[in-house]
Amino acid sequence: KAGVTQTPRYLIKTRGQQVTLSCSPISGHRSVSWYQQTPGQGLQFLFEYFSETQRNKGNFPGRFSGRQFSNSRSEMNVSTLELGDSALYLCASSPGTIGGPLHFGNGTRLTVT
Amino acid sequence: GESVGLHLPTLSVQEGDNSIINCAYSNSASDYFIWYKQESGKGPQFIIDIRSNMDKRQGQRVTVLLNKTVKHLSLQIAATQPGDSAVYFCAENNGNFGNEKLTFGTGTRLTIIP
Repeated sequence: KAGVTQTPRYLIKTRGQQVTLSCSPISGHRSVSWYQQTPGQGLQFLFEYFSETQRNKGNFPGRFSGRQFSNSRSEMNVSTLELGDSALYLCASSPGTIGGPLHFGNGTRLTVT
Repeated sequence: GESVGLHLPTLSVQEGDNSIINCAYSNSASDYFIWYKQESGKGPQFIIDIRSNMDKRQGQRVTVLLNKTVKHLSLQIAATQPGDSAVYFCAENNGNFGNEKLTFGTGTRLTIIP
């Protein structure tokens, strides 16, 4: 079974721009979660989608948004990029029902200059 | 595990020895805990999990111990190998529906000395 796939692997953007990251979950998984990983703050939860609906949300500003499609694939968008948004963005999937761990992709490394 | 950006604790262990990585979690209501391993350039990889109705669970060369009284979690790795060198994170669930919203600890960098 293929794992969680994230594209692109690397991104370089300029302050003020926006960016869209993509995630394809493990086949059959209906929940997709997004995490931000930085050296300063560690791994922090952004949001989680299940059946195209946001179910859980972390403490990030409204510039961070996401969506999930009917095939469970998900996208994350960051608008008006700031230098502090430079991070590794990780997507994880799970069946979405109680039980079982999250399975992570290898992330998208975003650098904001 | 509090998700705060602090200096990453390190642990160096001789190859073949056992290692123990500790983690303090924050929410007494959390009922599911996971250990992840993260190698350079990769995402976190699931190692083992445990529910709050258990105090010990064993996998292949790994054991997780849960002490709910003091909100403490530990990961024991037996007969360590060079491939065990990585950063290890504990995580606790805080989601409303299952295990989708995790709070991660700061992580411990484990180095296996050949």
